[in-house]
Amino acid sequence: EAGVAQSPRYKIIEKRQSVAFWCNPISGHATLYWYQQILGQGPKLLIQFQNNGVVDDSQLPKDRFSAERLKGVDSTLKIQPAKLEDSAVYLCASSLQVGQGQPQHFGDGTRLSIL
Amino acid sequence: GESVGLHLPTLSVQEGDNSIINCAYSNSASDYFIWYKQESGKGPQFIIDIRSNMDKRQGQRVTVLLNKTVKHLSLQIAATQPGDSAVYFCAENTGANSKLTFGKGITLSVRP
Repeated sequence: EAGVAQSPRYKIIEKRQSVAFWCNPISGHATLYWYQQILGQGPKLLIQFQNNGVVDDSQLPKDRFSAERLKGVDSTLKIQPAKLEDSAVYLCASSLQVGQGQPQHFGDGTRLSIL
Repeated sequence: GESVGLHLPTLSVQEGDNSIINCAYSNSASDYFIWYKQESGKGPQFIIDIRSNMDKRQGQRVTVLLNKTVKHLSLQIAATQPGDSAVYFCAENTGANSKLTFGKGITLSVRP
């Protein structure tokens, strides 16, 4: 089974610029997650989708971050404008559905560096 | 606030020895726990999970133990190999939305 696909793998931009990341979850997985992982820390959830609806975006900085999953499959995460503190790895994960006991499977992430 | 944490930041073991990685959690409502392994430049890889109605679960070379009384989780790796070198995270799931809370991670280093 193909895993979670993410692109690009690396991105370097200057502060105040915008950037977008793309994620294709495992086929058949209804739930999709975006995480931010700062160096040396565990992943922190930004937003969770169930199909094309948002389940939880309580930790998404909505003044600069946005995400969509229009057709309930692929998803994009955007940052506009970027700040220095946004330098991190952005991980996408998916699971079969929302519910207890559903392991999340991660992609390899996009490493974002802000200059 | 409540959080998931790990007792030690690094663990160094001899190849062939058994490894034990410990994790403390503070949310008594957590009902599902996962161990992930993360290698450099890669995303977290699922290792093993356990539900709160169990106290032990075994996989291939790995065992997870859950002690709800003291809110402690451990990952045991038998016959540790160089390929086991990575950062290990425990994560807890609280609530119906499958939201995972991760700890900071512990680095396992295997000496040849």
